[in-house]
Amino acid sequence: DAGITQSPRHKVTETGTPVTLRCHQTENHRYMYWYRQDPGHGLRLIHYSYGVKDTDKGEVSDGYSVSRSKTEDFLLTLESATSSQTSVYFCAISESEEGSPLHFGNGTRLTVT
Amino acid sequence: KNEVEQSPQNLTAQEGEFITINCSYSVGISALHWLQQHPGGGIVSLFMLSSGKKKHGRLIATINIQEKHSSLHITASHPRDSAVYICALEMDSNYQLIWGAGTKQIIKP
Repeated sequence: DAGITQSPRHKVTETGTPVTLRCHQTENHRYMYWYRQDPGHGLRLIHYSYGVKDTDKGEVSDGYSVSRSKTEDFLLTLESATSSQTSVYFCAISESEEGSPLHFGNGTRLTVT
Repeated sequence: KNEVEQSPQNLTAQEGEFITINCSYSVGISALHWLQQHPGGGIVSLFMLSSGKKKHGRLIATINIQEKHSSLHITASHPRDSAVYICALEMDSNYQLIWGAGTKQIIKP
């Protein structure tokens, strides 16, 4: 299995607080992604990164920011958490741009009360 | 019209049966992924296909680029194969994936 670790695995937080989720990889893969999974929507891309300090927005980026200061870490920050951001968040990595298998982390279940 | 359609949405079968899940799409792609999500939530990448056929253990995935169709087959199904199976399209010029709605599969002993 690809070495991807998401932390925390579970978090409960209050509306209006900032939250940071971490994705750490040991595979030295260039591409990293943050998805959220919600019933009826499948997986939706929040942000992705194609290298250190190179990031771009995905389909549902509003209310989220990311940072990638080194290859192995991709951080997702909810600037001011809202109840609509209650979801399961998955990090994924891939080696190259096209045609590489995606490897997923185990997910972070976030509840915003 | 959805760009990717999976069928069936739900599938219940007896242990030992041969299972087929289908994925049809309407856009140009560079690759198609089959993924498995277990009830605990973890997602595992099963196959990445750009042409032909791949096999891994009891799992076989095929893709027909001309017909814009892919199938995932499970031979000798087992209760531990109970999961949601998702196909996802990788576009030609884009980092984003287009996800199917998933097929929820239950294999009964």
